[in-house]
Amino acid sequence: EAGVTQSPTHLIKTRGQQVTLRCSPISGHTSVYWYQQALGLGLQFLLWYDEGEERNRGNFPPRFSGRQFPNYSSELNVNALELEDSALYLCASSGEVEQYFGPGTRLTVT
Amino acid sequence: GENVEQHPSTLSVQEGDSAVIKCTYSDSASNYFPWYKQELGKRPQLIIDIRSNVGEKKDQRIAVTLNKTAKHFSLHITETQPEDSAVYFCAGPWDMRFGAGTRLTVKP
Repeated sequence: EAGVTQSPTHLIKTRGQQVTLRCSPISGHTSVYWYQQALGLGLQFLLWYDEGEERNRGNFPPRFSGRQFPNYSSELNVNALELEDSALYLCASSGEVEQYFGPGTRLTVT
Repeated sequence: GENVEQHPSTLSVQEGDSAVIKCTYSDSASNYFPWYKQELGKRPQLIIDIRSNVGEKKDQRIAVTLNKTAKHFSLHITETQPEDSAVYFCAGPWDMRFGAGTRLTVKP
């Protein structure tokens, strides 16, 4: 069974640009979570999608947004990139409560 | 959302010793308590979890205990080995907000 996949693996953007990150959950999982992990720090909750709906969002500005598609895959969009957005962005999926993480997308903003 | 506090932030033990990491939560309705391990450069992985209808769960050298009255749950690692060195996270239920993490170092 394939695990959670994310694309791209690495990304370099310039301040002010926009970026889209993608996540495909484990087959059968309907929930997708997005987290930001700055270097050496903890997991900061960004967004939770379930059955195509946004269920909750963390304490991030509106320039962080996303969506979930009918096939339960998800996108995270970040507008007007700032230097402090440089981080590892992790996606996780769950069927019930157990979360399974993808490998992450490393975003560098210069 | 759920507030989850995790202590300590760093923990250093000698190989073979035990390690205990504790998380406290605020929502009395919480009923699922997971622990994740993140090795350097890797993704977090679920290592053990417990539901509110039991007080303790063991899996080889790791165990999780739950005290619903005091609203805390703990990760116990016995006979620690160098490969246990990692960052450990607890999480709250529902939207799965994570504790700040504990960096465990096991010295050979």
